[in-house]
Amino acid sequence: GAGVSQSPRYKVTKRGQDVALRCDPISGHVSLYWYRQALGQGPEFLTYFNYEAQQDKSGLPNDRFSAERPEGSISTLTIQRTEQRDSAMYRCASSLQGPGQSEKLFFGSGTQLSVL
Amino acid sequence: QKEVEQNSGPLSVPEGAIASLNCTYSDRVSQSFFWYRQYSGKSPELIMSIYSNGDKEDGRFTAQLNKASQYVSLLIRDSQPSDSATYLCAVRKQGYQKVTFGTGTKLQVIP
Repeated sequence: GAGVSQSPRYKVTKRGQDVALRCDPISGHVSLYWYRQALGQGPEFLTYFNYEAQQDKSGLPNDRFSAERPEGSISTLTIQRTEQRDSAMYRCASSLQGPGQSEKLFFGSGTQLSVL
Repeated sequence: QKEVEQNSGPLSVPEGAIASLNCTYSDRVSQSFFWYRQYSGKSPELIMSIYSNGDKEDGRFTAQLNKASQYVSLLIRDSQPSDSATYLCAVRKQGYQKVTFGTGTKLQVIP
């Protein structure tokens, strides 16, 4: 596709439910990042993939959050037993190469998660 | 101490003036520095990257890096109303993949 695609665009769920957020990066992009952005704040790093390898998950808030990228392309961020504090915009970004090379991050439109 | 700090603003400048946006970072091993622009309701987009001390110019934009002072700035010359947005400073440490963003500075260019 022409850009990073995220789905769904909006997700409303009830507290305690599991949600899965999908990211389809730009074709050929090696690096994939997940961020969370609260209103009026900058993006907060969650996790990073190089191809299918999850090389940094230091930003995942707790063990309810997990992510995978099994074939080195599409990635899924899963939040189990959602809580109201999980409500935020979740953004995926991809880049062509890893650090030290082309580092420009291309962001998707994000998934706005609301936990009721 | 936050890894990347920015004044949240808003910074208001008249049309045609120079807008100066500032950012400090805490870790001396930071290697790569970026400025992203984010329009309201949109996603961040990269406008400048800088890797070595000094100035880097691209059109109306100039990024400045001072590693000794751990300071990055963005100058926007001849500011236009279309420059009104939030500007996010981002940093990557040497040996790490994580790109850390500041909270952003909201810029308002007054016609």
